[in-house]
Amino acid sequence: GAGVSQSPSNKVTEKGKDVELRCDPISGHTALYWYRQSLGQGLEFLIYFQGNSAPDKSGLPSDRFSAERTGGSVSTLTIQRTQQEDSAVYLCASSLSGLAGFGWETQYFGPGTRLLVL
Amino acid sequence: DQQVKQNSPSLSVQEGRISILNCDYTNSMFDYFLWYKKYPAEGPTFLISISSIKDKNEDGRFTVFLNKSAKHLSLHIVPSQPGDSAVYFCAASGPPGAEYGNKLVFGAGTILRVKS
Repeated sequence: GAGVSQSPSNKVTEKGKDVELRCDPISGHTALYWYRQSLGQGLEFLIYFQGNSAPDKSGLPSDRFSAERTGGSVSTLTIQRTQQEDSAVYLCASSLSGLAGFGWETQYFGPGTRLLVL
Repeated sequence: DQQVKQNSPSLSVQEGRISILNCDYTNSMFDYFLWYKKYPAEGPTFLISISSIKDKNEDGRFTVFLNKSAKHLSLHIVPSQPGDSAVYFCAASGPPGAEYGNKLVFGAGTILRVKS
């Protein structure tokens, strides 16, 4: 079946503009996760969805970042008033239930969206 | 403060030899450890994992060793193949309900190059 897909694959924007990044998880996967990878850094956890609710938003770096998930499926990560330090690869992952704790259930990653803020 | 560290940014190995990738962690609450592999322009893919109740887990050419007292784990690839060339990420999580029970904490990755 289809894996996790993300769009756009690349996004170049000007400082101060808003951007929306989309994630389509694997069908039937209840849990959805957003990470970002800045240059030379590991993957940094942003937010976790269980169904449409987000029990853990602790990784969102500022109030310019928000995310929603509708219908237990597609998720959108929105960055308002983008800054140059927001430039990174934004990765989405999904897993079957997310209930056993992150490490105990395989997360399947999408290819990422490469965001460049000029 | 990085809680999961991969101190070698890159590693070069001859085809057929052993590749050893290392990872250190600082949080003693971590109880599950994973390795992910990433090719360019693709998302990371799960490779192998180990829980803290074990000190070794093997899957084909891949073996992960965990030394809890040293807070150190390593991934061994034997024999290494050119197709193994990728970025390898170490990750850790804690028990469900604990501080890191719903997060994966990743290292910065190690680029492995296997030369033919």
